[in-house]
Amino acid sequence: ETGVTQTPRHLVMGMTNKKSLKCEQHLGHNAMYWYKQSAKKPLELMFVYNFKEQTENNSVPSRFSPECPNSSHLFLHLHTLQPEDSALYLCASSRNRDRSSYEQYFGPGTRLTVT
Amino acid sequence: LAKTTQPISMDSYEGQEVNITCSHNNIATNDYITWYQQFPSQGPRFIIQGYKTKVTNEVASLFIPADRKSSTLSLPRVSLSDTAVYYCLVGDTGTASKLTFGTGTRLQVTL
Repeated sequence: ETGVTQTPRHLVMGMTNKKSLKCEQHLGHNAMYWYKQSAKKPLELMFVYNFKEQTENNSVPSRFSPECPNSSHLFLHLHTLQPEDSALYLCASSRNRDRSSYEQYFGPGTRLTVT
Repeated sequence: LAKTTQPISMDSYEGQEVNITCSHNNIATNDYITWYQQFPSQGPRFIIQGYKTKVTNEVASLFIPADRKSSTLSLPRVSLSDTAVYYCLVGDTGTASKLTFGTGTRLQVTL
């Protein structure tokens, strides 16, 4: 266990649905991240939060909407997704965004299928 | 950003030492070298990080020559459970948004 949990682990949704992914870290970290990993493609960084403030949006479509109410919780709200959005969505955390940022702790991911 | 090159795949037998080399010819002065391990359908797991010479922890060793243009992750006496994808990342730890995972090295360990 890495100290980062994600729910749900699997999600199937239609293109018109609205759903949310949840991430919680129990490590006392201050930075949190959302990544997308599609089949046979490298991880893609989507969003970065530091002390609840979004510091990076890696040109992610607006149908993905992140929310970080506190340093321990991170959400990814999904609406009107496309089939190509089907992927493994990973949440990670690090002590902070700067000095220790390359030592990230990942959750198990949510396997999302858009039908 | 320093580009990294590592073998696409490697095979090993259980009990052997495995060395995975990563090339990063344009590594910058402030860059650190970080390795992650990823099992199928799981998030990557931080293994080790170093700047120069040798770093060792309970899982692996990281060897970095003086010119820092390459690095070698050494896994002692691998087991079947070490079958995974291993990623080499190079960058300034002050820029988390630049943490870029490549395609990694797929290690297959067999009996």
